[in-house]
Amino acid sequence: QKEVEQDPGPLSVPEGAIVSLNCTYSNSAFQYFMWYRQYSRKGPELLMYTYSSGNKEDGRFTAQVDKSSKYISLFIRDSQPSDSATYLCAMSADSWGKFQFGAGTQVVVTP
Amino acid sequence: GAVVSQHPSRVICKSGTSVKIECRSLDFQATTMFWYRQFPKKSLMLMATSNEGSKATYEQGVEKDKFLINHASLTLSTLTVTSAHPEDSSFYICSARDRGGATEAFFGQGTRLTVV
Repeated sequence: QKEVEQDPGPLSVPEGAIVSLNCTYSNSAFQYFMWYRQYSRKGPELLMYTYSSGNKEDGRFTAQVDKSSKYISLFIRDSQPSDSATYLCAMSADSWGKFQFGAGTQVVVTP
Repeated sequence: GAVVSQHPSRVICKSGTSVKIECRSLDFQATTMFWYRQFPKKSLMLMATSNEGSKATYEQGVEKDKFLINHASLTLSTLTVTSAHPEDSSFYICSARDRGGATEAFFGQGTRLTVV
């Protein structure tokens, strides 16, 4: 069993819809959770960072962490074609160590 | 967010030669840097973790003598692919974390290596 599970998609949504992404994990020691967006042939770009459980909102993006269920989510409101990319979740047990990444979910927002 | 610069963005080299990739943190001190390899439409595969001033820690299955990592300063880490072969062709990405500050990891732009 992988430490971090993420559905690779692709996930296709019409423009303006809400994109819902999630990851599950098995290591209860994870405390730091991140979501990255990666366009083709580019390095990942940090979207959201959350420490421990709770919600965080930044513009059209909302990240949720439920440590009791070992489940994290990313919601993108009012999706745009420019949101079409691969979204990676990442998590770490400490503030300096390596991350575990999900497989990445490919999102396609159609005009 | 913090900026991590990776250079070159693209390189083509002949089999048997060595290639050096640089990763720089521009506005913070990166006590830890990570090197990843990514195959098309696949997630990131961690190759090694480097800490400033000490030897890198390689993941299982990664050849230390082939992928030389140096983290000589708090803002620079290098990955040298030695005696490159076509199967080394891939997208290599570095990321950096600041132990004393932000706990997020920021990524470089990536380097596409093609060995011919």
